[in-house]
Formats: sequence, structure tokens, C-alpha cells
Amino acid sequence: SQELEQSPQSLIVQEGKNLTINCTSSKTLYGLYWYKQKYGEGLIFLMMLQKGGEEKSHEKITAKLDEKKQQSSLHITASQPSHAGIYLCGAMGGKLIFGQGTELSVKP
Amino acid sequence: NAGVTQTPKFQVLKTGQSMTLQCAQDMNHNSMYWYRQDPGMGLRLIYYSASEGTTDKGEVPNGYNVSRLNKREFSLRLESAAPSQTSVYFCASSSQTAIEQYFGPGTRLTVT
Repeated sequence: SQELEQSPQSLIVQEGKNLTINCTSSKTLYGLYWYKQKYGEGLIFLMMLQKGGEEKSHEKITAKLDEKKQQSSLHITASQPSHAGIYLCGAMGGKLIFGQGTELSVKP
Repeated sequence: NAGVTQTPKFQVLKTGQSMTLQCAQDMNHNSMYWYRQDPGMGLRLIYYSASEGTTDKGEVPNGYNVSRLNKREFSLRLESAAPSQTSVYFCASSSQTAIEQYFGPGTRLTVT
């Protein structure tokens, strides 16, 4: 069965700094989703990537899909406290499966 | 347009008790899902319903049952709660199984 590994598991950055979260799949990626979860709340859909090399942006968050590496990266530019939360990647492998999440804290 | 709603928000059960978690969506979605979220393990699919009238097991179905009551509602039942079922439960829906899912706010369940 397909597995998704996210790195790092947690991240603390100073406000204004850039950061990258990676999601690596054990099998070929046919579609990759990024979600954000605020503490104590449900998941909010950020974006979906479907093709190798595809890159999408949502405000200051950019995600890219590298099919050959079976990996997606999520990049936040000039982080703000509002970016804090847990970021999860998800992939369709018959059913939607999720990585274990990356917890992001942004220090003002 | 409330999206996906879940009740209750919090629940404490004793071992052996039963309860049903309710989920409803008002987006006319065909597919609905139940997940549990545990520290360090991410989200794991318990059951899903690709369309009204169908249900299928996910990754961790043992100890749970589901009912797709109609297109809007998908309930999760714990017949005899165990401490290992202490978790946060999320319901989600999507128009089809292969596209983005919309999540409810979650139910925090503690089994003592």
C-alpha cells in the first residue's frame, strides 16, 4: 500500500522567514493534495497537483509536484503567524491517504 | 451553507459504552468519509461511502460501523467503546472520490 512521508515533522521559524515542507510517496503519485489544519479544527483544502512539474500558488504558499522523485514540496514565503498550524499532504492510492503532518510554528 | 457539520464536538465514554457520531453535508456531495486522527499517525481512513447506498472499509475499520442514511448524512457507530478508540474523529465529503475533500470540525472522543 502507498505511504506518504512528510519532513520535517515539526518546524519553528521566525516571522518573515521562508520554509519548505516535503512530502515523499512510496509509490507513483497520481494526484497530490495539500491541506492545512489549525489547532483543534478541521482540515482546510489548500491545493491539488495532478501533473508532474505542476506548480500552484495560494497567497504566499506554493506547491510543486516532482513525479520522478515521487515528491511534492510546499514552500511558504515570508512566513506569518497566520501560517502556523499542521500541514498535511494527501494522495490518491485507490483511497485518499495522508502523511503524518508537519507542525509549523511561526514566532513573531 | 454550513459545509460539513459534526455532532457532538466532545464526548467522554466509559469502556463498553456505545455511541453514534453524526455527520451531515449540505453540498450535495456523493462521497463521504470518516477518519480518525492520532498524534504521530496522521489521518487514517475508517470507512467511506462513495455514493448513497454504498459503504466500504478503510484502513482501520475494526470496532466501528457506519450508515449512509441518505445523501446528506453519514454516521459512525462505536458499539463497545475501547480506550484505543480515544481520538479525534473527522468526517469529510467530496463530489467524487478522486477530488478534494471538505472536512468537518471534528469530534474529540475520550474513552476511559
